[in-house]
Amino acid sequence: GAGVSQSPRYKVAKRGQDVALRCDPISGHVSLFWYQQALGQGPEFLTYFQNEAQLDKSGLPSDRFFAERPEGSVSTLKIQRTQQEDSAVYLCASSKQYSGANVLTFGAGSRLTVL
Amino acid sequence: AQKVTQAQTEISVVEKEDVTLDCVYETRDTTYYLFWYKQPPSGELVFLIRRNSFDEQNEISGRYSWNFQKSTSSFNFTITASQVVDSAVYFCALSEAYAGGTSYGKLTFGQGTILTVHP
Repeated sequence: GAGVSQSPRYKVAKRGQDVALRCDPISGHVSLFWYQQALGQGPEFLTYFQNEAQLDKSGLPSDRFFAERPEGSVSTLKIQRTQQEDSAVYLCASSKQYSGANVLTFGAGSRLTVL
Repeated sequence: AQKVTQAQTEISVVEKEDVTLDCVYETRDTTYYLFWYKQPPSGELVFLIRRNSFDEQNEISGRYSWNFQKSTSSFNFTITASQVVDSAVYFCALSEAYAGGTSYGKLTFGQGTILTVHP
């Protein structure tokens, strides 16, 4: 597609529920990132994929967070047993290559509210 | 560890005023890239400008200009003749060129500056 597509745009979950957030990157983009943006804060890195390989998951806050990109295109971020502190906007970004000079194209984000 | 600081939380200006957004960064890397992204109410971060650590030449692109000073670790961004459509949250970000031998463009963002341009 023309841009990075994320779904759902809004998700309300009860504490303890599992959620899955989807990211459809730009076709052919090798690199895919997930970021977490709390209210009033800058995005914080969660994890990085290069094609289907998850090369960096250093930002995942706990083992309740899991991400995959099995075929090197669509990615899913899964949060198990959601907690209130998981409430945030989850941003996905992709880029054509992998270098420090990368310009990332971001999706509009999935806003998660945990009650 | 890398760090990006945007000391200005909110800025309010009247249309046609010039506005400068400040950014200070910390990194141990000798090679790195600096970015400015804009986040309008729709939520998508939009790329504005990029500068690498070896190029301190300051440039102007339309109404945007930037001032990169390696000696003070600052990367300030100026909008000339601001417009209402410039209202958004602006983020400064730092990309490490090498992380454990792997370069892939992981960004460290500042806290953001909310810019409001009044008509």
